[in-house]
Amino acid sequence: RKEVEQDPGPFNVPEGATVAFNCTYSNSASQSFFWYRQDCRKEPKLLMSVYSSGNEDGRFTAQLNRASQYISLLIRDSKLSDSATYLCVVINEKLTFGTGTRLTIIP
Amino acid sequence: NAGVTQTPKFQVLKTGQSMTLQCAQDMNHNSMYWYRQDPGMGLRLIYYSASEGTTDKGEVPNGYNVSRLNKREFSLRLESAAPSQTSVYFCASSSNPRPTDTQYFGPGTRLTVL
Repeated sequence: RKEVEQDPGPFNVPEGATVAFNCTYSNSASQSFFWYRQDCRKEPKLLMSVYSSGNEDGRFTAQLNRASQYISLLIRDSKLSDSATYLCVVINEKLTFGTGTRLTIIP
Repeated sequence: NAGVTQTPKFQVLKTGQSMTLQCAQDMNHNSMYWYRQDPGMGLRLIYYSASEGTTDKGEVPNGYNVSRLNKREFSLRLESAAPSQTSVYFCASSSNPRPTDTQYFGPGTRLTVL
């Protein structure tokens, strides 16, 4: 089993819809989690951290489910500018990137 | 404040040629990293430098060398390029080497080895 797994997508979602995707991790000792955003042919940029209690930043909500070993990212009222690849990052002794989930928002 | 800069943006090499990828950061960060990104695979760490004067191997160091020239600059060298090294290379930096410290990435170098 891979350390970090993401559905590669693509997720094609109409503008204004809500979309959610998950990232599973294999190491139960993993301590910290992040979501990065990567636009086409650009560098990854930190989107948000994932806290045990969950956290929200505007239209974005990140949650952690330790029992089932996954993190999730929910985007409400999606905008065209949300089109990107979303990378999850899982940290135990080292930092491991997922392969990313590609999201396209359709007008 | 440019953040993390990388040169060149694109490069095509023939098998066996050598080249150096340059990276510089102006955020006064202690730690710097080199990653490669290939289709279907997550970013993989090649080498990192926790602080000026130190370098360590990451997950995929074979075929590469690095130099932490000073606090700002961290270069990656391919001594004898191979087609398997065709990839997008990202340099990153962070305040400190803790894995939880936010890493800031450069724009990447797209390398093709023929």
